[in-house]
Amino acid sequence: QLVLTQPPSASASLGASVKLTCTLSSGHSTYAIAWHQQQPDKGPRYLMKVNSDGSHDKGDGIPDRFSGSSSGAERYLTISSLQSEDEADYYCQTWATGIRVFGGGTKLTVL
Amino acid sequence: QVQLVESGGGVVQPGRSLRLSCATSGFAFRSYAMHWVRQAPGKGLDWVALISFDGDKTYYADSVKGRFTVSRDSSKNILYLQMNSLRTDDTAVYYCARSVLGFSTHPDYWGRGSLVTVSS
Repeated sequence: QLVLTQPPSASASLGASVKLTCTLSSGHSTYAIAWHQQQPDKGPRYLMKVNSDGSHDKGDGIPDRFSGSSSGAERYLTISSLQSEDEADYYCQTWATGIRVFGGGTKLTVL
Repeated sequence: QVQLVESGGGVVQPGRSLRLSCATSGFAFRSYAMHWVRQAPGKGLDWVALISFDGDKTYYADSVKGRFTVSRDSSKNILYLQMNSLRTDDTAVYYCARSVLGFSTHPDYWGRGSLVTVSS
């Protein structure tokens, strides 16, 4: 079964960097994923697609502070030079024939 | 610029029907697959349905299969979600989203959502 697992929360200080993790279920370690950001009381915003080789394709207007990477079954979103507006929920998402799957989301707090 | 505007939400009794619309602009609607994704109050994102760019293929989450129908009118640039036999656990904000060009894998633009409340 295709499942994405994310830690429910993360925190980091203003101006620092944070690395968010999304883990693919067993047997799906080669799958690409997409990252989406949802700021409080807003609709989601697409950030990027991350491939199994660590390459990534960002959405329109996404700052260079956001980057993606991979290791095995884990896909990462790194945010550098954290700003207050980065405080949001971050969701990973993947796909297979006939289904699309979201992780449970990570709530990022900027201290 | 790309715009997606959902409408049609509201309060409805269990067992009744509702149709959501998503008016689109700023891109060639007929060239893109489209998604519906929902979010129950205080919960995460939950994929609902997908329609191919030409409307020939549709896919649904198991939780809505047989009750919801996604369709599109490319002459009007509008996406629809017909929701029948609504249940209380269908209560959510419903987002329409455009899929990346050429693929139905993941959204690259999202609307602001329309709230559906199923309650007696």
